[in-house]
Amino acid sequence: DIQMTQSPSSVSASVGDRVTITCRASQTTSRWLAWYQQKPGKAPKLLIYAASTLQSGVPSRFSGSGSGTDFTLTISSLQPEDFATYYCQQANSLPITFGQGTRLEIK
Amino acid sequence: EVQLVESGGGLVQPGGSPRLSCVASAFTFNDYAMSWVRQVPGKGLEWVSGISGSGGNTYYADSVKGRFTISRDNSKNTLYLQMNSLRGEDTAIYYCAKGLYSGYDRTPFDSWGQGTLVTVSS
Repeated sequence: DIQMTQSPSSVSASVGDRVTITCRASQTTSRWLAWYQQKPGKAPKLLIYAASTLQSGVPSRFSGSGSGTDFTLTISSLQPEDFATYYCQQANSLPITFGQGTRLEIK
Repeated sequence: EVQLVESGGGLVQPGGSPRLSCVASAFTFNDYAMSWVRQVPGKGLEWVSGISGSGGNTYYADSVKGRFTISRDNSKNTLYLQMNSLRGEDTAIYYCAKGLYSGYDRTPFDSWGQGTLVTVSS
């Protein structure tokens, strides 16, 4: 199984800050990497797929990069609605696996 | 707008066998693989099982292999998860999720249901 490790596990930031979350895979996932946002009591929401493709309707302040085993999610200027938990996911091989999550909190 | 509506959760005794359902609408159901993903409240996401659009290929996490069975009825736009021999560690919110790519079994998920909570307890 491909293990996905996110860092940091939690981060505190302020509105307007730039935040980067990293995701490392235990083996290559090519570009089969997606990022999700989840708010309390809600289902996850797809933000980015194929490592860097923005899902329709997702604000352009979200961006993704990377390939192989190392990936990043960047939020260029935090908005109040961005405080949530973020997960990476690989779909290069089965079983599909998720990172443990990064909780983004208001400073 | 794509809609996925799960049902079938609730309080189940250890060893029980509930069946979860997920009714889909607003997309061509048999074109897309579907999956079940679970989440212990307050914890992370765990992929449980997936099925191809035709239903001919099924996939399972090791944690549920041999106990859970995924299936679909494309005439009813419905996904199922038959859960057998339930254990306390199966307690979670179960989400059904739609594959992003038509025709791909391994795929990110672009739509999710609201989830159904399964609590395994005596």
